[in-house]
Amino acid sequence: AQTVTQSQPEMSVQEAETVTLSCTYDTSESDYYLFWYKQPPSRQMILVIRQEAYKQQNATENRFSVNFQKAAKSFSLKISDSQLGDAAMYFCAYKAAGNKLTFGGGTRVLVKP
Amino acid sequence: DAGVIQSPRHEVTEMGQEVTLRCKPISGHNSLFWYRQTMMRGLELLIYFNNNVPIDDSGMPEDRFSAKMPNASFSTLKIQPSEPRDSAVYFCASGLRGVGYEQYFGPGTRLTVT
Repeated sequence: AQTVTQSQPEMSVQEAETVTLSCTYDTSESDYYLFWYKQPPSRQMILVIRQEAYKQQNATENRFSVNFQKAAKSFSLKISDSQLGDAAMYFCAYKAAGNKLTFGGGTRVLVKP
Repeated sequence: DAGVIQSPRHEVTEMGQEVTLRCKPISGHNSLFWYRQTMMRGLELLIYFNNNVPIDDSGMPEDRFSAKMPNASFSTLKIQPSEPRDSAVYFCASGLRGVGYEQYFGPGTRLTVT
């Protein structure tokens, strides 16, 4: 069974600084997608970024970027120029054939002004 | 588009009562998912449907839980009888069938069973 692990329960970052969230996963599949979702206090789940496993190029969305290391099964999220609105829970998720999303346990990001 | 709609947003009920959570997926989406979120267990997939047909209900905790999708625009998750340990936030999500498509989440229903 696929598993997703986020080893950092909480990360703190100074406003305008950079923070990196870790995620590792376990799979025997070759075709899959990885996602980072953000859950602010409103509890709405919002997609931040996605990565296709067959693409070597790391995905980027504005201040958010990933470091995808397929061989190591690692998928970290970097938030650059952190803003107060980035404070939230961040979930790493994996999806392969079968349509199921498997989530990690989440990392809480605190942004200090 | 209004996004995924869930009702009610909050539900407080007494142990033993029946609870029904409702979801309206985004029009055109052919997959629907029910998740439960708790502090202890995180986000768990309970069940999902493709084209209104239940595909995987292995996450449903026990027979007290049931889910239906009578048509493409409506789904329910029912708990009967409810127990305090069912207290959680229940999310409905919808998306297009296929590995590369994201899931769009509703705002969730916070259920409290006393």
